[in-house]
Amino acid sequence: DTGVSQDPRHKITKRGQNVTFRCDPISEHNRLYWYRQTLGQGPEFLTYFQNEAQLEKSRLLSDRFSAERPKGSFSTLEIQRTEQGDSAMYLCASSLGGPGTQYFGPGTRLLVL
Amino acid sequence: GQQLNQSPQSMFIQEGEDVSMNCTSSSIFNTWLWYKQDPGEGPVLLIALYKAGELTSNGRLTAQFGITRKDSFLNISASIPSDVGIYFCAGQLSGGSQGNLIFGKGTKLSVKP
Repeated sequence: DTGVSQDPRHKITKRGQNVTFRCDPISEHNRLYWYRQTLGQGPEFLTYFQNEAQLEKSRLLSDRFSAERPKGSFSTLEIQRTEQGDSAMYLCASSLGGPGTQYFGPGTRLLVL
Repeated sequence: GQQLNQSPQSMFIQEGEDVSMNCTSSSIFNTWLWYKQDPGEGPVLLIALYKAGELTSNGRLTAQFGITRKDSFLNISASIPSDVGIYFCAGQLSGGSQGNLIFGKGTKLSVKP
């Protein structure tokens, strides 16, 4: 399967801990996006990369969040000092060229206790 | 922020019935996408629309990009039990971010055999 993959699929952590998620996009896709989805809502945009460059960040991405895509391939999303409000599904998507058609991974479900 | 109004919020139908759902906005969109999401999984792309007036089919699914560029609908014909899930519309705002897809809140479809 050459779709978008995410790891881990599930993460339970205690409040105050740091967590890191990984996303591997579809191999030829140069754009990579992170979204957050809470129960009963649609995904909300967090940030996106074109190759290595992080081109946009949402106001939802507080200073406790950082994302990287060091070699223009996989990306990591780190949350420092997690809070219970960070509990959500974190989705990664990728696209080729423009923003048009984004393909999503299976998501990482985070639960902060 | 920008919003997509998706309706209905939920539908409970008999197997074999046709389904229609739509998204509207007060803003103009360049792209409309329809996704289906199963519990605990990421959204799966169903149909992508790129031009006003475009009508596109994918099997039993048909979607249209509204002429005003402010709305889109998705029809499912002859529904089957595996159509159960949450359907999201998403769009790229005209003149907006190059990365940001805006999502509706979803239509939850339940099918009674």
